[in-house]
Formats: sequence, structure tokens, C-alpha cells
Amino acid sequence: DAGVIQSPRHEVTEMGQEVTLRCKPISGHDYLFWYRQTMMRGLELLIYFNNNVPIDDSGMPEDRFSAKMPNASFSTLKIQPSEPRDSAVYFCASSYTDGRRGGELFFGEGSRLTVL
Amino acid sequence: GDSVTQMEGPVTLSEEAFLTINCTYTATGYPSLFWYVQYPGEGLQLLLKATKADDKGSNKGFEATYRKETTSFHLEKGSVQVSDSAVYFCALKTGGFKTIFGAGTRLFVKA
Repeated sequence: DAGVIQSPRHEVTEMGQEVTLRCKPISGHDYLFWYRQTMMRGLELLIYFNNNVPIDDSGMPEDRFSAKMPNASFSTLKIQPSEPRDSAVYFCASSYTDGRRGGELFFGEGSRLTVL
Repeated sequence: GDSVTQMEGPVTLSEEAFLTINCTYTATGYPSLFWYVQYPGEGLQLLLKATKADDKGSNKGFEATYRKETTSFHLEKGSVQVSDSAVYFCALKTGGFKTIFGAGTRLFVKA
């Protein structure tokens, strides 16, 4: 089975440019999460969706960040305008409700963003 | 709020040494507990989990026991290999489906 697929794997852009990161979750999973990983702050949850609906976006750092999930198989995280402090690895993860406790996350390989 | 605290790294061991990475948590209710591993250039992947008190999770020679009385979930392995070199994350998940991660502990294993 295909895992969580993220694109691009690497993105280098200049300050002020728009950045769009993409994610395809595992088929059948009803939860999708966006995390950001940096050396200083570790893994931060930015936002998560359930059945394509945003449930908690309290981790989104500011209005420059937005995320959408137009259907069950696709999500985007957009940064506009980008700033150097946005440089990080952005991970998408998906999970499913199976009626039992547990619900581990399945991560993509990440998108490494560098803003110059 | 809910939180996870794990020992700072890096941890450097020789091959075949015993590994312990400490993890303690603060949570309301009864969370599920996890250890994830991240190899260089990859995303995190589940190593093991435990969903209730006294459960022991195990995988690939790693073990961790959910200790409610000490709010701990320490990771252990009896004999590490060079291929175990990675970053290890302790995590908890509450009923709200948010997973909260510790800061991660980097492990280096020398041949």
C-alpha cells in the first residue's frame, strides 16, 4: 500500500514568495495532520482535519499560513508571504478511527523548506 | 496541559550495549503512549505503543511499559546495533486525537 505522499521533497525559495506544500494521505484514513519540525522547537502540530474539516488550527503560527483539504485524498499547506524563519521540515501525517484506542500516525517523508 | 518530557541527547553507545531512554508524561485522563523513530532524511514511523496501564509495547527488540503510577514510558533495548542510530520520540495521544511529542533523543551507536 502507498504511504503518505508529500511534495515537493525540497523547496528553496526567496523571502516574500508563496509556497505550497502538498499531501496525499493514505486511502481510508479520516484524520490528516500537518507538523513542522525545527531544531529549536522540535515537532509542532500546526493543524489537523477530520473528514476534510479543520478541527484545530491553534498551532498555525500566523495568518501567513493556511491549510485546506478539498477532498479526502488531498491537502495543501500554503505560506504567503514566506519568511526565512519559516525554514523547516514540514510533515504530513494521517490516521484513522478504528473504534479502538491507539490511532498511530503514519508520516510522509516531509518537505524541507528553505527560505532565503 | 498535556506534555511529554524525554531525556536529552545525544546518547552514544557501543554496539551490543544496553539502551534506556527515559520518558515521562503529564496528561488528563488515560492517554495512549507511543515511541516513534526517525531515521535520517525520513519521516517518523511507529516503533511501539501501549494503550492502557501496565501494557508493554514491543518491536524489533525494543520494549516500553506503560507505568501509570510513575507516569512513565521508558524505552529499552538489551543490545543495540549500529542500525538503531536514529532519533527517538516519545508521544502521547489523548481522546481528542492530538498527538503530543517529546523533544526527541538522538542515539548514536558505534561499531
